[in-house]
Amino acid sequence: AQSVTQLDSQVPVFEEAPVELRCNYSSSVSVYLFWYVQYPNQGLQLLLKYLSGSTLVKGINGFEAEFNKSQTSFHLRKPSVHISDTAEYFCAVSETNTGNQFYFGTGTSLTVIP
Amino acid sequence: ETGVTQSPTHLIKTRGQQVTLRCSSQSGHNTVSWYQQALGQGPQFIFQYYREEENGRGNFPPRFSGLQFPNYSSELNVNALELDDSALYLCASSFPSGSSYEQYFGPGTRLTVT
Repeated sequence: AQSVTQLDSQVPVFEEAPVELRCNYSSSVSVYLFWYVQYPNQGLQLLLKYLSGSTLVKGINGFEAEFNKSQTSFHLRKPSVHISDTAEYFCAVSETNTGNQFYFGTGTSLTVIP
Repeated sequence: ETGVTQSPTHLIKTRGQQVTLRCSSQSGHNTVSWYQQALGQGPQFIFQYYREEENGRGNFPPRFSGLQFPNYSSELNVNALELDDSALYLCASSFPSGSSYEQYFGPGTRLTVT
């Protein structure tokens, strides 16, 4: 079975500073990897995904993530954050052979400080 | 293109009652997944429906059941409600073609059990 660990439950960062949100997973099979963002009282919006190919993945709103197979990590980064990036961020994995069940981490609350 | 919609947005029920939540999938999507998101937690996979058949189930008891209709909309039914069923219920639709496996989430239904 898969599991996802988001190492930081809360990350405060000043506006225009860089940020990294950490995600590690464990799985006995190959996985696809995703980052979703959730704004208050809304559903989840896909930021980016890794399916195959280049390990550096670029997503929306200036976010990117790097897949590191040896460290089973998929950390999310942004070089300069904005107030509007304040939200909950979730890392998720799914098995490549089925893809039907997503396993989510517990989330990281990003707060951008003016 | 119409996104994923869910109804109702909020619901209050009493312990022991039954509830039905509804989801309309995004246009062209034939797969619907349901997730339970407790407060402060990541979404937990309940089950998935593909072409009106259950196609995977998470660790939820049988009192959680579902349906998918020919137009690919879906219902989540929960019988004998318990206080711990209070959560945000998210529906996600997808079209498992190629290697996408991307799930598009609705805004959720907030269920409160008293």
